[in-house]
Amino acid sequence: EAQVTQNPRYLITVTGKKLTVTCSQNMNHEYMSWYRQDPGLGLRQIYYSMNVEVTDKGDVPEGYKVSRKEKRNFPLILESPSPNQTSLYFCASSLASNQPQHFGDGTRLSIL
Amino acid sequence: KQEVTQIPAALSVPEGENLVLNCSFTDSAIYNLQWFRQDPGKGLTSLLLIQSSQREQTSGRLNASLDKSSGRSTLYIAASQPGDSATYLCAVPGSARQLTFGSGTQLTVLP
Repeated sequence: EAQVTQNPRYLITVTGKKLTVTCSQNMNHEYMSWYRQDPGLGLRQIYYSMNVEVTDKGDVPEGYKVSRKEKRNFPLILESPSPNQTSLYFCASSLASNQPQHFGDGTRLSIL
Repeated sequence: KQEVTQIPAALSVPEGENLVLNCSFTDSAIYNLQWFRQDPGKGLTSLLLIQSSQREQTSGRLNASLDKSSGRSTLYIAASQPGDSATYLCAVPGSARQLTFGSGTQLTVLP
C-alpha cells in the first residue's frame, strides 16, 4: 500500500531535549516536505526536499533541521525544542513538486 | 509573498445540496492549484490538482475550476453527502517550490 509513515504519532517532551520525527514513503517520490499546522495559522511549510541531498527552507524553518540521505526518508530534527514548537506536524511526498502530494497522518508534538 | 484566502471559513448545508467553496490567491504566477480534504485527526487527502494550463478538473461529484487572471479557484460539490463533512483546503506553489495553503473551509453536511 502506498503510504507516508510518520513516527511517533504523539510525543510529549520537555524544552531543550533533542528529538527527531521520522518520515518514510514507499512510492519512490522525489519531493518530500514538512509542514506544521496551528489553529488560526493553518498549514505552513517548514522545509522541503527536491531529491536526495537537496533540501531548502520553507516559510517557517527556524528551530528545525532536516536531512535527505535516502530517497525514502526525510526526518525532521528539533535540536533544542521550545514550547512554541508545540504543533501538529505533517510530512508529505510527491513524484515532483507540481504533482499531488500524499500526506502522512501527522505527529502531535507537545513541548513543555 | 503569496497569500491564499478561503471563504467561507465554515459552511453547513443539508444533505443533497450542491455547494461551492472559494479560494483566492494574490500572486497569479502559479503553475498549479491543489484542493485537499482533511478529516479530524487525519492528514490531508489530495482531491484535485489543476495545472495552470487547465481551467477545470473533475473527479466524481467534485469539480474544481481555476481562473488565474482573477486569482480564484472554486470547488463545486454536487449532491452533498454527510460523508463529505471535512475541512477543505486549497494550496498553491510559490516560485521556490513552497506550497502555500489557505486556512480552509470547514464543511458540515447535515443528514
